[in-house]
Amino acid sequence: GEDVEQSLFLSVREGDSSVINCTYTDSSSTYLYWYKQEPGAGLQLLTYIFSNMDMKQDQRLTVLLNKKDKHLSLRIADTQTGDSAIYFCAESNSNDYKLSFGAGTTVTVRA
Amino acid sequence: DGGITQSPKYLFRKEGQNVTLSCEQNLNHDAMYWYRQDPGQGLRLIYYSQIVNDFQKGDIAEGYSVSREKKESFPLTVTSAQKNPTAFYLCASRPGQGGYTEAFFGQGTRLTVV
Repeated sequence: GEDVEQSLFLSVREGDSSVINCTYTDSSSTYLYWYKQEPGAGLQLLTYIFSNMDMKQDQRLTVLLNKKDKHLSLRIADTQTGDSAIYFCAESNSNDYKLSFGAGTTVTVRA
Repeated sequence: DGGITQSPKYLFRKEGQNVTLSCEQNLNHDAMYWYRQDPGQGLRLIYYSQIVNDFQKGDIAEGYSVSREKKESFPLTVTSAQKNPTAFYLCASRPGQGGYTEAFFGQGTRLTVV
């Protein structure tokens, strides 16, 4: 949606790190999420971060949040072929139930 | 098994006809959502519902209608007024407001207008 923006494509070599970026506009965003979509399927939650955090690490995934710039990033270490998918950034706040997604970044892992 | 189920997986519709997409969840979630996915445009919110008998328009509600008569069901009707209905439709649910809550997605329905 217009509230959340991402670049559309990323190509990365197997074994390298991938960094996917996202910007959002709602300053009241409380929760920020990264979802992964395999071809022809629904979305699955990868990780999330609260707006009062700067960083969160979960195995190969590192989420960085710059609240001042409203910028969120997802770093995937040691990218594998199974990481090829579409990655969506999403945001929600405590005021209502609305959950807004970005356009998605298609990550292609090449050998 | 708890989950969220969309049916059918593939749907073909003649131009000018209404069609209803099904979404059912047995997760006891309060909130349910419908999104439309088009290449390069990501997920756009059509409608969402916070509670039974209540729903709100999302960003692209024109040409769509919903109902929420039961907590577990949130069907989406694509009407003939929707100018470009061919797309992949995703339904989601989550427990509700207050703190972090994860959204669970169905496997989607691919609608093609012929």
